[in-house]
Amino acid sequence: AQSVTQPDIHITVSEGASLELRCNYSYGATPYLFWYVQSPGQGLQLLLKYFSGDTLVQGIKGFEAEFKRSQSSFNLRKPSVHWSDAAEYFCAVGSNDYKLSFGAGTTVTVRA
Amino acid sequence: SAVISQKPSRDICQRGTSLTIQCQVDSQVTMMFWYRQQPGQSLTLIATANQGSEATYESGFVIDKFPISRPNLTFSTLTVSNMSPEDSSIYLCSGDDRLNTEAFFGQGTRLTVV
Repeated sequence: AQSVTQPDIHITVSEGASLELRCNYSYGATPYLFWYVQSPGQGLQLLLKYFSGDTLVQGIKGFEAEFKRSQSSFNLRKPSVHWSDAAEYFCAVGSNDYKLSFGAGTTVTVRA
Repeated sequence: SAVISQKPSRDICQRGTSLTIQCQVDSQVTMMFWYRQQPGQSLTLIATANQGSEATYESGFVIDKFPISRPNLTFSTLTVSNMSPEDSSIYLCSGDDRLNTEAFFGQGTRLTVV
């Protein structure tokens, strides 16, 4: 069975500081990995994805993530956080049927 | 990527009633799914909406409570039946964009049952 763990429920970061959100997955085959962002009252927006190729993937809004098979991880990073990055972030794993299992989510608060 | 129009965006319903949520995709998709996001929680898959056949439900979800239709490759509905306050959640549909290798989502339906 596939599953995702996001160990950090809530992270507070200062504007301009770097951000890293952790994601560990369990999946029997080659996973499709996604990071989504959900702003209050909004739907899910895809930040980036990985399914093959270069293990460092670039996404929208200046985010990047690195797939590490040996650690079963797909951590999300941003070098400099903006106040508009305050939101809920979800890591998800699936396969080529696009049926996803989501982590519990990490709430990011940005302080001035 | 493709776009899903989901409606209603929100509703407040009386217990014991039913609500049908619609998702319309602007292009054909192979797979469509329905998820539930309970307050303060993550997303949980309810079912896979199969075109022209009965939906495939995940453990803990049954057809009598969440009947799903998918008459074609661009449209699906989810009905939340005989609602109780515990059904208050955000319901989201998603589709597969195989050209861009991603799953995309509707904006969600925020349901409150009183």
